[in-house]
Amino acid sequence: QQPVQSPQAVILREGEDAVINCSSSKALYSVHWYRQKHGEAPVFLMILLKGGEQKGHEKISASFNEKKQQSSLYLTASQLSYSGTYFCGTFQGATSGSARQLTFGSGTQLTVLP
Amino acid sequence: ETGVTQTPRHLVMGMTNKKSLKCEQHLGHNAMYWYKQSAKKPLELMFVYSLEERVENNSVPSRFSPECPNSSHLFLHLHTLQPEDSALYLCASSQESLAALNTGELFFGEGSRLTVL
Repeated sequence: QQPVQSPQAVILREGEDAVINCSSSKALYSVHWYRQKHGEAPVFLMILLKGGEQKGHEKISASFNEKKQQSSLYLTASQLSYSGTYFCGTFQGATSGSARQLTFGSGTQLTVLP
Repeated sequence: ETGVTQTPRHLVMGMTNKKSLKCEQHLGHNAMYWYKQSAKKPLELMFVYSLEERVENNSVPSRFSPECPNSSHLFLHLHTLQPEDSALYLCASSQESLAALNTGELFFGEGSRLTVL
């Protein structure tokens, strides 16, 4: 079952912050975040494993609350280069069957204006 | 060369045509994937090939058939497609199979934009 992302779209000014949420109705083993710019391939951002860890890279960080089956991606002091569609992918940790695959959300379109 | 290369980048075909999409990865990975990306819809996994096995999404119609002759090349053969099959088809590779995807990242190609008339 695919995760639900919110918001579907967000527009902000350069330097502003944004939060993108990803939630699942199933217990999760890991959450994966990707960004896809228009006309380009999706690019990996980070993976979070169950345990409530938080990861970050420069001004983009994420958290994973396994009890709530939710993950949030935080973009701080956004830059023009952050524009794109952000996808979360969730993995239930099964070793067989249909749950043994990464399931993506519908994406959140982020636009950063000058 | 980029890590994952897809050809052609754009393809227009009629419903009675037979065509193939090609994907090549230069990363030494042992798993390759086909995803379908339609507007406003989630990325949909179609097929996975790893050293151990092929895994497919049971909802994929038989008019799509994958072929993986070796760990570096992946094809998607298309025949008698429908207009609703028009989409961006993305190839990806990773270092391990889905059974160990908890720590692996996917490397995507730029996709093949397919239009079925």
